[in-house]
Amino acid sequence: DVKVTQSSRYLVKRTGEKVFLECVQDMDHENMFWYRQDPGLGLRLIYFSYDVKMKEKGDIPEGYSVSREKKERFSLILESASTNQTSMYLCASEQGGNIQYFGAGTRLSVL
Amino acid sequence: GQQVMQIPQYQHVQEGEDFTTYCNSSTTLSNIQWYKQRPGGHPVFLIQLVKSGEVKKQKRLTFQFGEAKKNSSLHITATQTTDVGTYFCVRNGGSQGNLIFGKGTKLSVKP
Repeated sequence: DVKVTQSSRYLVKRTGEKVFLECVQDMDHENMFWYRQDPGLGLRLIYFSYDVKMKEKGDIPEGYSVSREKKERFSLILESASTNQTSMYLCASEQGGNIQYFGAGTRLSVL
Repeated sequence: GQQVMQIPQYQHVQEGEDFTTYCNSSTTLSNIQWYKQRPGGHPVFLIQLVKSGEVKKQKRLTFQFGEAKKNSSLHITATQTTDVGTYFCVRNGGSQGNLIFGKGTKLSVKP
């Protein structure tokens, strides 16, 4: 079974803090993705990566950056957290066939 | 543009009733995927449809891809409480495996 692990299920941070959300997959997948999910808005793609050190902007990259130093790990970084970044963050990985496997999600609250 | 529209947004049914959610695109799709997200959970891949007019079944779930490959439907026969969740139709976003999620249909089932 594919396993996608997100480091935290719940996170509370203060405005202005730098926040790291970590995601690790164990299936040697090339492609990894970060989404945020908000009520009424569905899943929106923030960034994705199709190879180590490669990244592509998704639909809503503003206020975020990513890092992919190793194939299995894809990190989402909030340089200076703001209250409008309070959301559920979902990581996914994929290897051909377009089927994405999701982690359990990180519910981030920015106070 | 590339969005897929899902209707209804919410559906409440009595256990044992049937349920259908519809997915529409203004452009022809190469394929369509369906994911399910249980309350508090993460999206889980259900199925992918590729061929025009394709119909696939998974137990009580029937998935259909329109002849013009612009719409799809998911029908659940005799709903059970385990069917509760949000059902997303998903299309390809372009290169590198990124996907575009519809906003989902949230199904609740009254026992």
